[in-house]
Amino acid sequence: KNQVEQSPQSLIILEGKNCTLQCNYTVSPFSNLRWYKQDTGRGPVSLTIMTFSENTKSNGRYTATLDADTKQSSLHITASQLSDSASYICVVSVEYGNKLVFGAGTILRVKS
Amino acid sequence: EAGVVQSPRYKIIEKKQPVAFWCNPISGHNTLYWYLQNLGQGPELLIRYENEEAVDDSQLPKDRFSAERLKGVDSTLKIQPAELGDSAVYLCASSPDPSGSLNEQFFGPGTRLTVL
Repeated sequence: KNQVEQSPQSLIILEGKNCTLQCNYTVSPFSNLRWYKQDTGRGPVSLTIMTFSENTKSNGRYTATLDADTKQSSLHITASQLSDSASYICVVSVEYGNKLVFGAGTILRVKS
Repeated sequence: EAGVVQSPRYKIIEKKQPVAFWCNPISGHNTLYWYLQNLGQGPELLIRYENEEAVDDSQLPKDRFSAERLKGVDSTLKIQPAELGDSAVYLCASSPDPSGSLNEQFFGPGTRLTVL
């Protein structure tokens, strides 16, 4: 069964600190993996998309990694800001069939 | 460029009443998706359209849910009658090219439905 598991479920950090969110997946055949940020009351917004051959991709203070062998990904946030408070969703695309498998998300709260 | 537009943003109804949600995708995007998102969960696909054709509606509860995209542009999702368990956020998304390898989807803000 295609699944995406994320950890931790929620996280609280102080402003300015770094954090890393984890994603494990059992999706086959794999096409690409993306991280979305979802602010409260808004739709998800794409942060990064990585294909099989990519093992790291950055978008400002966000850096995603992908290990296709172990089927793990991480999202590292550097120098967190209050505006980083959101849910971060790991999504894996199944090759062929145009299907996305969503994780449940990690709720991040950055406090001052 | 305008994003995906959804309305209403919030809807509160009593159980057994009908409700409809509207979505206007990004101009030029042929693929449109409706998702259901429960609190603390990731979105779950309800239906996917390629132009006006519903190509994946396997997860749509057809006894009470229906959707249409008559001219291949905007779309309506309807629930009749609504049940308490339908309370959730209904997200609409669109993507430009279903055959593209990245298949990036752009989401609207969602409609939060509360069934009392």
